[in-house]
Amino acid sequence: AQSVTQPDIHITVSEGASLELRCNYSYGATPYLFWYVQSPGQGLQLLLKYFSGDTLVQGIKGFEAEFKRSQSSFNLRKPSVHWSDAAEYFCAVGVREYGNKLVFGAGTILRVKS
Amino acid sequence: DAGVIQSPRHEVTEMGQEVTLRCKPISGHNSLFWYRQTMMRGLELLIYFNNNVPIDDSGMPEDRFSAKMPNASFSTLKIQPSEPRDSAVYFCASSPTGGGTEAFFGQGTRLTVV
Repeated sequence: AQSVTQPDIHITVSEGASLELRCNYSYGATPYLFWYVQSPGQGLQLLLKYFSGDTLVQGIKGFEAEFKRSQSSFNLRKPSVHWSDAAEYFCAVGVREYGNKLVFGAGTILRVKS
Repeated sequence: DAGVIQSPRHEVTEMGQEVTLRCKPISGHNSLFWYRQTMMRGLELLIYFNNNVPIDDSGMPEDRFSAKMPNASFSTLKIQPSEPRDSAVYFCASSPTGGGTEAFFGQGTRLTVV
């Protein structure tokens, strides 16, 4: 069965510091992978996605993620965090057999300290 | 396009009452998903429609939950009778059919059953 693991429940970084959020997935085929962000009381906004091709994908707000098939990982990175990045981040795998339904990880809450 | 529209944004109801959540997907999207978000279980897929037909309802927790999609522009999720453990945020998402596409989420309905 498909699954996504985000091992860090909370992460705190200083403003201006670099960020890496970890994501590991389990899926039997080449995955579709996504990172979404959720601010308090809001819906989920897509940051970036990987379907094929270049394994380093760029997203909105300066985020990027790298797909590593050998490690079944899709870690999210940002070189310099801003206070407005504080939110909850979800990694997801798309199950193509079911219209690309998403299986989500548990989420990582990012806190940014000034 | 206005995006995925959900109503109401907030719902407070008494245990035993019927609750109906509504969703208008993005025009032209063939897939519609209902998700539930709780602290304990994270984001769970409840049901998935493709071309208005329910394809996968394995995530519907019990018979008290039902979902319909009478046409391409409207879907409902009904809980009857509601229970306090149904309190959660319910998200609707839509996606174009086919691979290589992401899901677009509504703002969610926060349901509180007292």
